This record gives sequence, C-alpha cells and structure tokens, in this order.
Amino acid sequence: GAVVSQHPSWVICKSGTSVKIECRSLDFQATTMFWYRQFPKQSLMLMATSNEGSKATYEQGVEKDKFLINHASLTLSTLTVTSAHPEDSSFYICSAPPRAGGPSEQYFGPGTRLTVT
Amino acid sequence: DAKTTQPPSMDCAEGRAANLPCNHSTISGNEYVYWYRQIHSQGPQYIIHGLKNNETNEMASLIITEDRKSSTLILPHATLRDTAVYYCIAGRGGGADGLTFGKGTHLIIQP
Repeated sequence: GAVVSQHPSWVICKSGTSVKIECRSLDFQATTMFWYRQFPKQSLMLMATSNEGSKATYEQGVEKDKFLINHASLTLSTLTVTSAHPEDSSFYICSAPPRAGGPSEQYFGPGTRLTVT
Repeated sequence: DAKTTQPPSMDCAEGRAANLPCNHSTISGNEYVYWYRQIHSQGPQYIIHGLKNNETNEMASLIITEDRKSSTLILPHATLRDTAVYYCIAGRGGGADGLTFGKGTHLIIQP
C-alpha cells in the first residue's frame, strides 16, 4: 500500500511555544490530506482537511488560528500548533487518499505524540 | 457517514478465523463500508472496503449482507500481531472526506 510519513514521531515542548508537524505522502501525490487528533483511550477525531493550493477547512470546535495548516505541495502538509498548552498534548495523525475525489481508502502516518509541559 | 455499531471487544484464539461484525443499518446507496485497524500507539492501517459485493485481499475478507445493513470482517488465520482496535466506517469514501471513527472493536488474539 501507499506510504505516509510524519515527522517528528514525538515532541516535547514548553507551554506557550509553537510546534510544527510534517506529513508527507512518499509514493503518491495527495491534493487532500487530513489531520486527526487522538486523546488517550479515545478514538480518532477529525480536526481539519488540508487542501493543496487553498485554505484548510476545519471541523466544528477546532480553532483555526491555533492549529495552522499549510499544504505546501502535493506531497507535504504541515500542522503547526501555536501557543501550545498542556491540554493540546495528544497524538496527532495525518492521512491521505491516493485517489482524489470519489471513494478511496486513506493511508495514515505513524502519528506524532505531542507533550506540552 | 452512516452510524456504525460494533461490539466493544472480542477474543479469538491464535490460528482461528476472527469474525468481526458491524451494523450499519442506515447506510445509503452510495456509501461504502471501510475497515481500518489501529495497533496500540500507531496510525490506523487500511484493511479493505466494499460497496455491495464481498471482497477479499491479502489481509482479510469482507462479507456484506444483501440488504447492506451489516457486514463482517474476516481475518482467516489470526495471529498475535492482529491484536488491535478494528474500526468499521460507512461513508462515501476518503477521497474528499475525512473519516468519522467510532469506538471500534478491540480484538484480542489469545495464544
């Protein structure tokens, strides 16, 4: 199957600082990528849809000014958590479909574990 | 995405077939059934998907009832590495839409 990578795999930052997480599709191009968040013992929750060449769309309740998304190319999307606080500590996961538009499976990155102290 | 219902947990003996059920009684005609699994502390892994017909790939088989209101994921010879949370998602597909994850089924393979 297709491969999606994330960097870093884990990061610890101090409260008030910003953290950037990268998501790359390694062997296919993705005009759309998705960002999810997963708290301990909970399921994944969709945060936003990242669109190459246009603004991201955010799910209800997700602050777009706090979670900045940039889809810089057909293989790279970045999520920046700005002014991070301990409640932002979570497992952040990206995914990308190998086919745009219609029905398609999604391939997920390995996730980034963010701890804010 | 249509609402799906899965048992919260299941056990299966190593080497036996694991049959994971999913109810999606409100699925609409253009919605597919997708299965993913998540091994602890990893990103989810795509397993299989289907619309009406039964599907099989190198990982699993998907059996969809004729009325499409339920489906079963079959892992033919379960191994310890198949221990994971399995998610059944009924939707138009992930080409343009993000996925709505339920709580899934925690499958535990017993040695």
